Amino acid sequence: DADVTQTPRNRITKTGKRIMLECSQTKGHDRMYWYRQDPGLGLQLIYYSFDVKDINKGEISDGYSVSRQAQAKFSLSLESAIPNQTALYFCATSDPAPHDTGELFFGEGSRLTVL
Amino acid sequence: KNQVEQSPQSLIILEGKNCTLQCNYTVSPFSNLRWYKQDTGRGPVSLTIMTFSENTKSNGRYTATLDADTKQSSLHITASQLSDSASYICVVSRSNDYKLSFGAGTTVTVRA
Repeated sequence: DADVTQTPRNRITKTGKRIMLECSQTKGHDRMYWYRQDPGLGLQLIYYSFDVKDINKGEISDGYSVSRQAQAKFSLSLESAIPNQTALYFCATSDPAPHDTGELFFGEGSRLTVL
Repeated sequence: KNQVEQSPQSLIILEGKNCTLQCNYTVSPFSNLRWYKQDTGRGPVSLTIMTFSENTKSNGRYTATLDADTKQSSLHITASQLSDSASYICVVSRSNDYKLSFGAGTTVTVRA
């Protein structure tokens, strides 16, 4: 089984719908992240959490929200999806922090298409 | 402007040949640089990490170099295999900062 699991792997939805992407991890890491990947662009940080009660905005948080339900679970929500949120979304964990040479461990990705 | 620039954007090589990917960065203060490999439809996986004092590091047929003075790194793939077909992403970390800077990646296609 994967250490970082994302569901769903693929989702097609319509403009205005609420969407939740879920992430669970078995690595025991405190730090969890949500990234967005678009063709030709580097990964962009949406939100990150260093602990269960810690939520922080990343570079592109507008239109997104997150919930850290437990150490192992970190969910990303799109309250009202729009077409330019069509992208590949990745959940990741790390321990220690990346600037302390911590490696990011990514899930398999969730491909979201908003029509 | 992205603080991490990778070149080329894509390349095609024949199986068994070597290739070199480039990463130039402006991130400061520098902490470390990682190369990740991303297979199609999968999440990125770390290949190597370079800290300020390291010049070269190998992981099997992958060899990364770092010149912290010129802020350049390269990833050399030796004797390429079909399984090397993937996107290779350069990621630079800043000291005492959660934020990572990602390159857009180089897509490598290895043909038989």
